[in-house]
Amino acid sequence: DAGVIQSPRHEVTEMGQEVTLRCKPISGHNSLFWYRQTMMRGLELLIYFNNNVPIDDSGMPEDRFSAKMPNASFSTLKIQPSEPRDSAVYFCASIADGGNAQPQHFGDGTRLSIL
Amino acid sequence: AQSVTQLDSQVPVFEEAPVELRCNYSSSVSVYLFWYVQYPNQGLQLLLKYLSGSTLVKGINGFEAEFNKSQTSFHLRKPSVHISDTAEYFCAVSDYSGYALNFGKGTSLLVTP
Repeated sequence: DAGVIQSPRHEVTEMGQEVTLRCKPISGHNSLFWYRQTMMRGLELLIYFNNNVPIDDSGMPEDRFSAKMPNASFSTLKIQPSEPRDSAVYFCASIADGGNAQPQHFGDGTRLSIL
Repeated sequence: AQSVTQLDSQVPVFEEAPVELRCNYSSSVSVYLFWYVQYPNQGLQLLLKYLSGSTLVKGINGFEAEFNKSQTSFHLRKPSVHISDTAEYFCAVSDYSGYALNFGKGTSLLVTP
């Protein structure tokens, strides 16, 4: 299996621009998670989906952030407008059936720099 | 809500020496506990997990962890580390849903010759 695929791997853009991060979960996995990693705050859960439906978005920092999962094989995390404090590494992870604490499989992340 | 505290942000150790990375959790309910490892420029990989049963859990790459309910701890150990074990290690906790994980801030393990 190809694993969780994230794109782009790196993104550098100016503040105020719209940023879209993409994730393809492992085929057959029905839960998907978006995390943000920074030195100051560590790894934070932003939102997660189960069967394409958002279950908990309490970690989404502000209305500038939005996430969608239009189908089982694709999800996006969008920031509009972007700000320098959004600079971080964003990870996507997926799991199979959520019962019995199945391990989360992480992508390699998108390193986002907002100038 | 559940949370974890990783007591050491950095742990330097010489090759072939033993290491212990400390993790304490806080929860009002029973939990699942995990250790993940992150190599540079990569995502996290599961090392081991505790769900129930034996309190000593063995994982990949020779790592093991012991669940101690009375001390609310889940420390990670390896008897002899290799240079290749240099990475960031994260302790995490979830409730019985097994969905959302709360991660600690991570411990950077640096193994030197």
